[in-house]
Amino acid sequence: QMQLVQSGPEVKKPGTSVKVSCKASGFTFTSSAMQWVRQARGQRLEWIGWIVVGSGNTNYAQKFQERVTITRDMSTSTAYMELSSLRSEDTAVYYCAAETSAARIDPWGQGTLVTVSS
Amino acid sequence: QTVVTQEPSLTVSPGGTVTLTCASSTGAVTSGYYPNWFQQKPGQAPRALIYSTSNKHSWTPARFSGSLLGGKAALTLSGVQPEDEAEYYCLLYYGGARVFGGGTKLTVL
Repeated sequence: QMQLVQSGPEVKKPGTSVKVSCKASGFTFTSSAMQWVRQARGQRLEWIGWIVVGSGNTNYAQKFQERVTITRDMSTSTAYMELSSLRSEDTAVYYCAAETSAARIDPWGQGTLVTVSS
Repeated sequence: QTVVTQEPSLTVSPGGTVTLTCASSTGAVTSGYYPNWFQQKPGQAPRALIYSTSNKHSWTPARFSGSLLGGKAALTLSGVQPEDEAEYYCLLYYGGARVFGGGTKLTVL
């Protein structure tokens, strides 16, 4: 079945960077687009950006434009989201989700908790 | 900054019908915004329910339906079950960007 498996929880200090991975299986990774979404505790879902896997084209939410980089490795069917200059407000669960056909977003990863604390 | 607005909370009785809506600060929501709806229960990842306005996933219960209503995207639950109590999020497409709504907490009481 279609599945996304994310890397484990991270604890980071303010000002550093974090890189979360998302490994795909059960669908054609190269024909998909990978979305990244985050959710702080008790808060709404927030779209971060996406990458069209085949072309490598990316699009980021304006809020994250300066600090986020989304990449992919087609040889391992893995997408990555790197967020830099971390601050406490970046503490959240980060999800990847696959857009496997036009405007259809599923599956989702299990989420990765990133905690930013000094 | 584009804002997508949902009702913060709604309450429905078991067996009842409820409609959740999703509005865009840019104007009327059309099929070109490819509305998606997700259900999220505490401690779980979101689960996709509806894509491209009204298309269901294979696991989406028949009681869920998506539509456009009065310039908004809408999610209607008919014959609500206790297990439908959850947070519901819409997602709209703005060209290359996507924006989530603030979510609707649905209480079944």
